[in-house]
Amino acid sequence: DTGVSQNPRHKITKRGQNVTFRCDPISEHNRLYWYRQTLGQGPEFLTYFQNEAQLEKSRLLSDRFSAERPKGSFSTLEIQRTEQGDSAMYLCASSSTGGDEKLFFGSGTQLSVL
Amino acid sequence: RKEVEQDPGPFNVPEGATVAFNCTYSNSASQSFFWYRQDCRKEPKLLMSVYSSGNEDGRFTAQLNRASQYISLLIRDSKLSDSATYLCVVNGAGNMLTFGGGTRLMVKP
Repeated sequence: DTGVSQNPRHKITKRGQNVTFRCDPISEHNRLYWYRQTLGQGPEFLTYFQNEAQLEKSRLLSDRFSAERPKGSFSTLEIQRTEQGDSAMYLCASSSTGGDEKLFFGSGTQLSVL
Repeated sequence: RKEVEQDPGPFNVPEGATVAFNCTYSNSASQSFFWYRQDCRKEPKLLMSVYSSGNEDGRFTAQLNRASQYISLLIRDSKLSDSATYLCVVNGAGNMLTFGGGTRLMVKP
């Protein structure tokens, strides 16, 4: 499977715990995005990498959220001290440069904070 | 005002009907426009790009109106399998791709 891969598919955690999600983009794509989606809403932009550089970060993203893409390949999204309001689907997408901004999404990680 | 706005619906239409959705955007400098489809509990998938001159892909037609800052999606001869949420996507501030809230379509026999 050469699509975007996300792990884990589901994560249940207790409030206050830290969680980390992983995304493996399509191998030839150098752009990687993280979005968050809650029921009945469209995906909300969180952050964006081009290769290993984090170029954009939503101002809605609190300091508890951090993302990395150390080698320009896979990325991790960490949420520290989770809150119930963090419960959502976390979607990763990748795209290539060269004027093509079409996003290819992974299946997402569904986070439930109890 | 949200950067990208859509009527959430749901639009309930019979099979074979023609249905149209609009999406408005706030950033007049936006250059890229897309329609994505999202099935329940699945990830969004690209349906089609939207070009300035309008474009068609089978039963689907997308149009862009820069003066009024909206894009549209027309679906002809609706099928049961067209039932989904349709997401409008625009490159907005900071060149980020921004999604609308989605329009839910339900096609009934």
